Amino acid sequence: GENVEQHPSTLSVQEGDSAVIKCTYSDSASNYFPWYKQELGKRPQLIIDIRSNVGEKKDQRIAVTLNKTAKHFSLHITETQPEDSAVYFCAAIGSNFGNEKLTFGTGTRLTIIP
Amino acid sequence: GAGVSQTPSNKVTEKGKYVELRCDPISGHTALYWYRQSLGQGPEFLIYFQGTGAADDSGLPNDRFFAVRPEGSVSTLKIQRTERGDSAVYLCASSGGFEGPQHFGDGTRLSIL
Repeated sequence: GENVEQHPSTLSVQEGDSAVIKCTYSDSASNYFPWYKQELGKRPQLIIDIRSNVGEKKDQRIAVTLNKTAKHFSLHITETQPEDSAVYFCAAIGSNFGNEKLTFGTGTRLTIIP
Repeated sequence: GAGVSQTPSNKVTEKGKYVELRCDPISGHTALYWYRQSLGQGPEFLIYFQGTGAADDSGLPNDRFFAVRPEGSVSTLKIQRTERGDSAVYLCASSGGFEGPQHFGDGTRLSIL
């Protein structure tokens, strides 16, 4: 089955600087990669996703890049703000037809330092 | 509805008891998923429904866990003979179709004493 690894586990960034979180996956046929933001005690919130037919996707201050050859994808947050502080999870859907389950990484606790 | 709704938000019960957790997906979403999240970890897949049928139940840890979705909308996750290790946040998500974005509810925090 799919295995997703995520780094770093914690990340502290000065307000206004950029943050990058990286994930690798094991199933070369995986084709959908979402990122979720989870604040303490709240639901995971989908913030951006990418499919395997594109290499990059951007939405305002958030971007995701995908390298299928290397089987890794990254989340980039620019001009960080205090409200970006949260735990971020990457995830992937494996290749089996009808297999819709997300396999999540272990999370990155992002702290924005004012 | 506006989003995925889960009830109860919190459930505390004694070891050995039976519990039911309810999920009301986004209106019109055909796919429904249950995940379990332990403290400090990412959600782990339990079961996935497409319509009324369980398309993949490979994540259910053992036969004490069972889920139904009889009318293709609301789903109930049922846990028999609860154990302390079952304590976690149980998350439900729904999506509108194949590889559609999955949107999560607030979860049910289950505590087994």
